[in-house]
Amino acid sequence: DIVMTQSPDSLAVSLGERATINCKSSQSVLYTSNNKNYLAWYQQKPGQPPKLLIYWASTRESGVPDRFSGSGSGTDFTLTISSLQAEDVAVYYCQQYYNDPYTFGQGTKLEIK
Amino acid sequence: QLQLQESGPGLVKPSETLSLTCTVSGGSISSSSYYWGWIRQPPGKGLEWIGSIYYSGSTYHNPSLQSRLTLSVDTSKNQFSLKLGSVTDADTAVYYCASTHCSSASCYLYFDSWGQGTLVTVSS
Repeated sequence: DIVMTQSPDSLAVSLGERATINCKSSQSVLYTSNNKNYLAWYQQKPGQPPKLLIYWASTRESGVPDRFSGSGSGTDFTLTISSLQAEDVAVYYCQQYYNDPYTFGQGTKLEIK
Repeated sequence: QLQLQESGPGLVKPSETLSLTCTVSGGSISSSSYYWGWIRQPPGKGLEWIGSIYYSGSTYHNPSLQSRLTLSVDTSKNQFSLKLGSVTDADTAVYYCASTHCSSASCYLYFDSWGQGTLVTVSS
């Protein structure tokens, strides 16, 4: 199984500041034949299901604000929120869909400082 | 816009079978454009993919659950279902159904629409 490890486990950022969440996979999720990274990011607010933010490591889902961006390749990925808003308080998960079983990171809890 | 809704018992006894159904609206479960999946989340913990199924019956199962897991599709009701046998308290979780939108060529198993989730507690 591909193990997904996120860092940090929790993060407190001031409103308007940048938030950065990291995700590392135990093996590469880059499929060389199409040069795509099989990595998605989700946001989960309390009492709600996860919401897809980003897929292919850097493609924003329709309707997701452009303050959310994804980057990285191979085994190391980053989710960046450029200017934190109050509504961004949530737990964020990465997920690889390169191989089944499709696995998630343990989550990063983002709070306001 | 797809909408998914889980239904089923909220309490299951140990060693019995957990059965859940997901009803799909806003789209056809028989469409080649979707894979249908189940993900669970133990209270206060992270997400675990359980398995996914295509309208044709083609399935992917998490190997950690495979021996206890049955996935099925009912096209007449626009529903898909999960059965998990021999449950223990480790199976207590919020169970989500979700969809994967497929391109014309392939399906990539990230999840773009989710149900609200249903809590299933395993307890005698």
